[in-house]
Amino acid sequence: EDQVTQSPEALRLQEGESSSLNCSYTVSGLRGLFWYRQDPGKGPEFLFTLYSAGEEKEKERLKATLTKKESFLHITAPKPEDSATYLCAVHGSGNTGKLIFGQGTTLQVKP
Amino acid sequence: DADVTQTPRNRITKTGKRIMLECSQTKGHDRMYWYRQDPGLGLRLIYYSFDVKDINKGEISDGYSVSRQAQAKFSLSLESAIPNQTALYFCATSQGPGNTIYFGEGSWLTVV
Repeated sequence: EDQVTQSPEALRLQEGESSSLNCSYTVSGLRGLFWYRQDPGKGPEFLFTLYSAGEEKEKERLKATLTKKESFLHITAPKPEDSATYLCAVHGSGNTGKLIFGQGTTLQVKP
Repeated sequence: DADVTQTPRNRITKTGKRIMLECSQTKGHDRMYWYRQDPGLGLRLIYYSFDVKDINKGEISDGYSVSRQAQAKFSLSLESAIPNQTALYFCATSQGPGNTIYFGEGSWLTVV
Protein backbone atom coordinates (compact mmCIF):
# COMPACT_ATOMS: atom_id res chain seq x y z
CA GLU A 1 0.00 0.00 0.00
CA ASP A 2 1.27 3.46 -0.90
CA GLN A 3 2.11 5.43 2.20
CA VAL A 4 3.82 8.64 3.27
CA THR A 5 4.86 9.31 6.87
CA GLN A 6 6.29 12.58 8.11
CA SER A 7 8.15 13.26 11.33
CA PRO A 8 8.12 14.99 13.64
CA GLU A 9 4.49 16.14 13.73
CA ALA A 10 5.56 19.44 15.25
CA LEU A 11 8.89 21.19 15.60
CA ARG A 12 9.74 24.30 17.53
CA LEU A 13 13.02 26.05 16.77
CA GLN A 14 14.73 29.20 17.82
CA GLU A 15 15.59 31.61 15.05
CA GLY A 16 18.88 30.48 13.53
CA GLU A 17 18.63 26.92 14.87
CA SER A 18 18.98 24.57 11.90
CA SER A 19 17.10 21.27 11.71
CA SER A 20 15.62 18.67 9.35
CA LEU A 21 12.17 17.31 8.61
CA ASN A 22 11.74 13.70 7.54
CA CYS A 23 9.44 12.12 4.97
CA SER A 24 9.41 8.33 4.65
CA TYR A 25 7.57 6.83 1.73
CA THR A 26 6.43 3.49 0.39
CA VAL A 27 5.31 3.45 -3.23
CA SER A 28 5.77 1.13 -6.16
CA GLY A 29 7.87 3.00 -8.69
CA LEU A 30 8.49 6.53 -7.48
CA ARG A 31 7.31 9.10 -10.04
CA GLY A 32 8.16 12.17 -8.05
CA LEU A 33 8.33 13.29 -4.43
CA PHE A 34 6.95 16.75 -3.71
CA TRP A 35 7.42 19.21 -0.89
CA TYR A 36 4.85 21.90 -0.18
CA ARG A 37 4.56 24.68 2.34
CA GLN A 38 1.12 25.46 3.75
CA ASP A 39 0.19 28.50 5.80
CA PRO A 40 -2.96 28.31 7.98
CA GLY A 41 -6.14 28.49 5.92
CA LYS A 42 -4.28 28.68 2.61
CA GLY A 43 -3.49 26.31 -0.22
CA PRO A 44 -0.29 24.28 -0.31
CA GLU A 45 2.49 26.20 -2.02
CA PHE A 46 4.84 24.13 -4.16
CA LEU A 47 8.48 24.06 -3.06
CA PHE A 48 10.37 21.18 -4.69
CA THR A 49 10.06 18.07 -6.81
CA LEU A 50 12.61 15.26 -6.54
CA TYR A 51 12.63 12.33 -8.94
CA SER A 52 15.63 10.12 -8.19
CA ALA A 53 17.75 9.03 -5.24
CA GLY A 54 20.67 11.37 -4.67
CA GLU A 55 18.88 14.37 -6.08
CA GLU A 56 19.03 17.62 -4.12
CA LYS A 57 17.30 20.97 -4.57
CA GLU A 58 17.70 24.25 -2.74
CA LYS A 59 15.67 27.39 -2.30
CA GLU A 60 16.82 30.09 0.08
CA ARG A 61 17.13 28.45 3.53
CA LEU A 62 15.55 25.17 2.40
CA LYS A 63 17.26 22.13 0.92
CA ALA A 64 15.48 18.93 -0.05
CA THR A 65 17.23 15.60 -0.49
CA LEU A 66 16.02 12.16 -1.60
CA THR A 67 17.02 8.56 -0.93
CA LYS A 68 15.27 5.37 -2.01
CA LYS A 69 13.14 5.34 1.14
CA GLU A 70 12.94 8.88 2.45
CA SER A 71 13.37 12.56 1.85
CA PHE A 72 14.67 15.27 4.12
CA LEU A 73 13.86 18.95 4.15
CA HIS A 74 16.79 20.73 5.75
CA ILE A 75 16.16 24.20 7.13
CA THR A 76 19.29 26.27 7.67
CA ALA A 77 19.23 29.25 10.04
CA PRO A 78 15.43 29.51 9.98
CA LYS A 79 13.56 32.77 10.44
CA PRO A 80 10.11 33.31 11.99
CA GLU A 81 8.63 33.67 8.50
CA ASP A 82 9.56 30.04 7.83
CA SER A 83 6.88 29.02 10.33
CA ALA A 84 4.31 26.90 8.46
CA THR A 85 3.21 23.33 7.91
CA TYR A 86 5.44 21.43 5.48
CA LEU A 87 3.79 18.68 3.47
CA CYS A 88 5.43 15.81 1.64
CA ALA A 89 3.64 13.89 -1.12
CA VAL A 90 4.25 11.21 -3.74
CA HIS A 91 2.33 10.16 -6.81
CA GLY A 92 0.52 6.90 -6.11
CA SER A 93 1.26 3.71 -8.00
CA GLY A 94 -0.30 3.47 -11.43
CA ASN A 95 -1.73 6.34 -13.45
CA THR A 96 -4.40 7.38 -11.00
CA GLY A 97 -3.20 10.94 -10.76
CA LYS A 98 -3.52 10.63 -7.02
CA LEU A 99 -1.04 12.54 -4.90
CA ILE A 100 -0.58 10.83 -1.53
CA PHE A 101 0.19 13.25 1.26
CA GLY A 102 1.82 12.82 4.61
CA GLN A 103 0.23 14.40 7.65
CA GLY A 104 2.70 17.27 7.61
CA THR A 105 5.19 18.79 10.03
CA THR A 106 4.17 22.03 11.68
CA LEU A 107 7.21 24.21 12.16
CA GLN A 108 7.30 27.14 14.56
CA VAL A 109 10.34 29.40 14.57
CA LYS A 110 10.61 31.75 17.50
CA PRO A 111 12.57 34.99 17.34
CA ASP B 1 -3.92 37.03 -10.06
CA ALA B 2 -3.93 33.45 -8.89
CA ASP B 3 -3.38 30.72 -11.49
CA VAL B 4 -5.99 28.51 -9.81
CA THR B 5 -9.06 30.40 -8.62
CA GLN B 6 -11.75 29.00 -6.37
CA THR B 7 -15.16 30.47 -5.65
CA PRO B 8 -16.63 30.98 -3.15
CA ARG B 9 -13.76 31.29 -0.70
CA ASN B 10 -16.08 30.90 2.27
CA ARG B 11 -19.60 29.54 2.50
CA ILE B 12 -21.95 28.58 5.29
CA THR B 13 -24.85 26.40 4.23
CA LYS B 14 -27.59 24.40 5.87
CA THR B 15 -27.93 20.64 6.02
CA GLY B 16 -29.72 19.30 2.96
CA LYS B 17 -28.90 22.23 0.70
CA ARG B 18 -27.15 21.86 -2.63
CA ILE B 19 -23.92 23.76 -3.01
CA MET B 20 -21.38 24.12 -5.79
CA LEU B 21 -17.73 25.05 -5.51
CA GLU B 22 -16.17 26.34 -8.70
CA CYS B 23 -12.60 26.26 -9.92
CA SER B 24 -10.94 27.87 -12.90
CA GLN B 25 -7.31 27.80 -13.96
CA THR B 26 -5.14 29.85 -16.28
CA LYS B 27 -2.16 27.48 -16.30
CA GLY B 28 -3.34 25.59 -19.37
CA HIS B 29 -3.08 22.27 -17.54
CA ASP B 30 -5.03 19.24 -18.66
CA ARG B 31 -5.55 17.62 -15.26
CA MET B 32 -7.71 19.01 -12.48
CA TYR B 33 -8.44 17.72 -8.98
CA TRP B 34 -10.60 18.33 -5.96
CA TYR B 35 -9.11 17.64 -2.52
CA ARG B 36 -10.56 17.94 0.94
CA GLN B 37 -8.52 18.81 4.03
CA ASP B 38 -9.58 17.98 7.58
CA PRO B 39 -7.53 18.42 10.75
CA GLY B 40 -5.67 15.22 11.55
CA LEU B 41 -6.67 13.55 8.28
CA GLY B 42 -4.56 15.51 5.85
CA LEU B 43 -5.46 16.04 2.21
CA ARG B 44 -7.73 13.48 0.58
CA LEU B 45 -8.66 13.21 -3.08
CA ILE B 46 -12.36 13.53 -3.94
CA TYR B 47 -12.39 13.50 -7.76
CA TYR B 48 -9.94 14.01 -10.56
CA SER B 49 -10.17 14.68 -14.27
CA PHE B 50 -7.48 14.04 -16.89
CA ASP B 51 -9.38 15.93 -19.58
CA VAL B 52 -12.89 17.18 -20.28
CA LYS B 53 -14.24 13.69 -21.05
CA ASP B 54 -12.32 11.79 -18.38
CA ILE B 55 -13.55 12.05 -14.79
CA ASN B 56 -12.59 9.65 -12.02
CA LYS B 57 -13.52 9.05 -8.41
CA GLY B 58 -10.93 9.55 -5.72
CA GLU B 59 -10.83 7.97 -2.30
CA ILE B 60 -13.77 9.89 -0.77
CA SER B 61 -16.24 10.60 -3.60
CA ASP B 62 -19.46 9.57 -1.82
CA GLY B 63 -21.79 12.55 -1.41
CA TYR B 64 -19.98 14.59 -4.08
CA SER B 65 -20.26 15.05 -7.84
CA VAL B 66 -18.18 17.00 -10.32
CA SER B 67 -18.45 18.60 -13.73
CA ARG B 68 -15.62 19.50 -16.10
CA GLN B 69 -17.22 22.25 -18.14
CA ALA B 70 -14.09 23.11 -20.08
CA GLN B 71 -10.39 22.40 -19.88
CA ALA B 72 -10.04 25.33 -17.51
CA LYS B 73 -13.13 24.77 -15.35
CA PHE B 74 -13.91 22.03 -12.83
CA SER B 75 -16.74 22.31 -10.32
CA LEU B 76 -17.56 20.27 -7.25
CA SER B 77 -21.14 19.81 -6.04
CA LEU B 78 -22.60 18.62 -2.79
CA GLU B 79 -26.12 17.55 -3.73
CA SER B 80 -27.39 17.42 -0.17
CA ALA B 81 -24.86 18.84 2.25
CA ILE B 82 -24.31 17.23 5.65
CA PRO B 83 -22.34 18.55 8.64
CA ASN B 84 -19.44 16.11 8.23
CA GLN B 85 -18.73 17.72 4.88
CA THR B 86 -17.56 20.78 6.75
CA ALA B 87 -13.96 21.14 5.61
CA LEU B 88 -11.46 23.12 3.59
CA TYR B 89 -11.69 22.22 -0.10
CA PHE B 90 -8.89 22.64 -2.61
CA CYS B 91 -8.89 22.59 -6.37
CA ALA B 92 -5.61 21.67 -8.01
CA THR B 93 -4.14 21.28 -11.48
CA SER B 94 -1.24 19.55 -13.19
CA GLN B 95 0.06 18.90 -16.68
CA GLY B 96 0.45 15.27 -17.60
CA PRO B 97 1.37 12.32 -15.38
CA GLY B 98 3.92 12.57 -12.59
CA ASN B 99 4.18 16.33 -12.71
CA THR B 100 3.77 18.94 -10.01
CA ILE B 101 0.25 19.59 -8.79
CA TYR B 102 -0.58 23.24 -8.08
CA PHE B 103 -3.26 24.19 -5.60
CA GLY B 104 -5.81 26.95 -5.36
CA GLU B 105 -6.31 29.06 -2.27
CA GLY B 106 -9.06 26.90 -0.85
CA SER B 107 -12.77 27.16 -0.10
CA TRP B 108 -13.96 26.98 3.46
CA LEU B 109 -17.31 25.20 3.64
CA THR B 110 -19.34 24.99 6.82
CA VAL B 111 -22.52 22.90 6.91
CA VAL B 112 -24.79 23.67 9.85
